[in-house]
Amino acid sequence: DAGVTQSPTHLIKTRGQQVTLRCSPKSGHDTVSWYQQALGQGPQFIFQYYEEEERQRGNFPDRFSGHQFPNYSSELNVNALLLGDSALYLCASSFLSGRARGSEQYFGPGTRLTVT
Amino acid sequence: AQTVTQSQPEMSVQEAETVTLSCTYDTSESDYYLFWYKQPPSRQMILVIRQEAYKQQNATENRFSVNFQKAAKSFSLKISDSQLGDAAMYFCAYRSDVTSGSRLTFGEGTQLTVNP
Repeated sequence: DAGVTQSPTHLIKTRGQQVTLRCSPKSGHDTVSWYQQALGQGPQFIFQYYEEEERQRGNFPDRFSGHQFPNYSSELNVNALLLGDSALYLCASSFLSGRARGSEQYFGPGTRLTVT
Repeated sequence: AQTVTQSQPEMSVQEAETVTLSCTYDTSESDYYLFWYKQPPSRQMILVIRQEAYKQQNATENRFSVNFQKAAKSFSLKISDSQLGDAAMYFCAYRSDVTSGSRLTFGEGTQLTVNP
């Protein structure tokens, strides 16, 4: 049973560029959450996708956007990259399916983004 | 807004000894979950233990146990018989499905070193 996978593992971008990160949830999961983890800090919630819609959003600017596909995989897009966007981006999947409470969140290995 | 505080940036323990990591949180909710996650150098966030707020009994998972003090809003993690593989960054996290749609709020983390 494959766990949560993310791609790429790491990448380097230049200020002002755009980047797309990808996440495939654990088998049987239908919800994907994205977190940003700056060096030496705890992860910060960016947003969550369920049924191809953004369900919850943290305190991040509109430069951060996402998408969820019918197969439950998800993308995180960041436009107009800033130096401060350098971080580890974590994807977590869980199972909701109309329930009031989601299941545990399982995390992927993350994508390390460096903006120069 | 809910906040999670870990006041110990670093902790160390001798192999086979016991160590306790501290966590406090602030919330006005009565229905929530608390978690301890482990993040080794591989960056993969791994769930160690969870506690439902409505349960008075402290959660236990093998060598890991918690001391949940709801009135004091305290949630500490005890690791018994510490092993070299326990060395990692440990994050305390909070979740309230009622108000925050299962997003996780993390503390700043405690770096645990295990000395042989």
